Amino acid sequence: EPEVTQTPSHQVTQMGQEVILRCVPISNHLYFYWYRQILGQKVEFLVSFYNNEISEKSEIFDDQFSVERPDGSNFTLKIRSTKLEDSAMYFCASREDRGNEQYFGPGTRLTVT
Amino acid sequence: AQSVTQLGSHVSVSEGALVLLRCNYSSSVPPYLFWYVQYPNQGLQLLLKYTSAATLVKGINGFEAEFKKSETSFHLTKPSAHMSDAAEYFCAVSKAAGNKLTFGGGTRVLVKP
Repeated sequence: EPEVTQTPSHQVTQMGQEVILRCVPISNHLYFYWYRQILGQKVEFLVSFYNNEISEKSEIFDDQFSVERPDGSNFTLKIRSTKLEDSAMYFCASREDRGNEQYFGPGTRLTVT
Repeated sequence: AQSVTQLGSHVSVSEGALVLLRCNYSSSVPPYLFWYVQYPNQGLQLLLKYTSAATLVKGINGFEAEFKKSETSFHLTKPSAHMSDAAEYFCAVSKAAGNKLTFGGGTRVLVKP
């Protein structure tokens, strides 16, 4: 069964460093999303992406964040200068063109020290 | 703005007993409603969804949920708990097909032998 994959599973970085979280969505899906979950808090929407453009972003998704689909398979989330409060589990999701179901990856746990 | 409230962050049930997880939502438009399950170290897996068709929705693993507009609720039930149901369950709402998901805080289910 096709699934969304994410790498790495755990990333540790120092405050101020740049990180790139990688996702491989399901191959025929056209819509992509990033969510995050800070420990003990709700899963929060960050950004949605379609046709090589951001279609919606939350207040959390400020200038420190960017997304990219560098090739036909990967979807990345970059955090330019990480802060302690960026420590969270980051989930990638994708959906097909006519579907309303988002398929989630296993997440990347980001720890900023 | 949409919101989701899940009553009870932890629920403990005996194997074979009824599982009932409560979800109430707030939405200014007819909602799309979802229940996701997260097993340890895994991503979010869709259990079931309500998308304006039948109000009683059946999902995977014997779960079902009923959409009650008058109560703004979408409670999740399973008649007989199994040890494998131990996981965290998230209720989510979106305002249109494929739109961003707004999640509740999650309910962690413990199943006792």
